[in-house]
Amino acid sequence: EAQVTQNPRYLITVTGKKLTVTCSQNMNHEYMSWYRQDPGLGLRQIYYSMNVEVTDKGDVPEGYKVSRKEKRNFPLILESPSPNQTSLYFCASTSILGTEAFFGQGTRLTVV
Amino acid sequence: DAKTTQPPSMDCAEGRAANLPCNHSTISGNEYVYWYRQIHSQGPQYIIHGLKNNETNEMASLIITEDRKSSTLILPHATLRDTAVYYCIVRVGGGKLIFGQGTTLQVKP
Repeated sequence: EAQVTQNPRYLITVTGKKLTVTCSQNMNHEYMSWYRQDPGLGLRQIYYSMNVEVTDKGDVPEGYKVSRKEKRNFPLILESPSPNQTSLYFCASTSILGTEAFFGQGTRLTVV
Repeated sequence: DAKTTQPPSMDCAEGRAANLPCNHSTISGNEYVYWYRQIHSQGPQYIIHGLKNNETNEMASLIITEDRKSSTLILPHATLRDTAVYYCIVRVGGGKLIFGQGTTLQVKP
């Protein structure tokens, strides 16, 4: 079954404690991205990757890092989380020439 | 990518057709119209897309006007499980999706 898997689904952490949200896809897609969703602001792209070792900033990259060492994985790293990064996060993947984007189940992060 | 305009909310009776409009007056010739929906706080789900012609799949139909400046997503027999936020997006191809505020569709019994 084609899917994008994020972990964890829920996370409560403290300010400044480094964390990683993992994302894995099983469709051999080239393009992967991270979005955050906040009330009134909708879904905004954080970072994206066109392929292995190729990443670039989206619309709201401050405070985040990503890596793409393998095609299937695209982790989101918060080196020093702050309360304004409390949000619902989604990972997505699609083939470069594809049409349908597949989204993960979401990770609800709370930073206190 | 062109901007889209959707009504913020709509209601539909269960079993009736839900017609969700979208305006995209600045769409360019090579941009497709995509529809996604998000049920509660789940990940957005692809519904359908089209370029010029009307399209139909097992989930919905997409009607695009001849001048391509607007489109309508049709859910032929809405059920309570179709209650969601529906996003109309225009873009060239694979890659970044720019989400607007979407239309919250409430299907009522």
